[in-house]
Amino acid sequence: QVQLVESGGGVVQPGRSLRLSCAASGFTFSSYAMVWVRQAPGKGLEWAAIISYDGNNKYYADSVKGRFTISRDNSKSTLYLQMNSLRAEDTAVYYCARVRGGEMVTRNDYWGQGTLVTVSS
Amino acid sequence: QSVLTQPPSVSAAPGQKVTISCSGSSSNIGNNFVSWFQQLPGTAPKLLIYDNNNRPSGIPDRFSGSKSGTSATLDITGLQTGDEADYYCGTWDNSLSAGVFGGGTKLTVL
Repeated sequence: QVQLVESGGGVVQPGRSLRLSCAASGFTFSSYAMVWVRQAPGKGLEWAAIISYDGNNKYYADSVKGRFTISRDNSKSTLYLQMNSLRAEDTAVYYCARVRGGEMVTRNDYWGQGTLVTVSS
Repeated sequence: QSVLTQPPSVSAAPGQKVTISCSGSSSNIGNNFVSWFQQLPGTAPKLLIYDNNNRPSGIPDRFSGSKSGTSATLDITGLQTGDEADYYCGTWDNSLSAGVFGGGTKLTVL
């Protein structure tokens, strides 16, 4: 069955960096676009970044553009989110999700359980 | 402020029907497919509807979606207490070149 397991969250000081990982199994990872979606405590969902099946196309929300980088290693079936220059407002649970049928869509059909990132001094 | 506008909350009695709206613009809903997600308390979101009105396997037909112009709607019939959750619409925005979500609607089954 499809499984997505995020890791790498934790407490980090403002201005520092953190890298999240999302290990995928149960499907052909290299055939699907993947997305990161975050949710601040008590708030709604916020789309963050998406990467095409082959890694050639990437899109970012304005709120993270220039600070976050999405990438993938299809040989390891793993998705990444490199987060630099972190701010307090980046505090959130970060979910990875599989995207069905392309990257300019929101058909996020399988989600991980999320990993919490807390940016605080 | 979310790009897509949803009512903050809706409520109805068990067995009744509820409708959740999602309003956007020509740069998002007007020219792209809409998805709907259910988030039960303390859990990850779950895809309920994709491409405006399609249900993934395993989603009961009590859940249905539609789209007209720059607005979309999620209907839930035969409400159950287990349907109490937050519901989000989502789509692609061509102007932003990014995905966007509504602010979410909290469903209470009275």
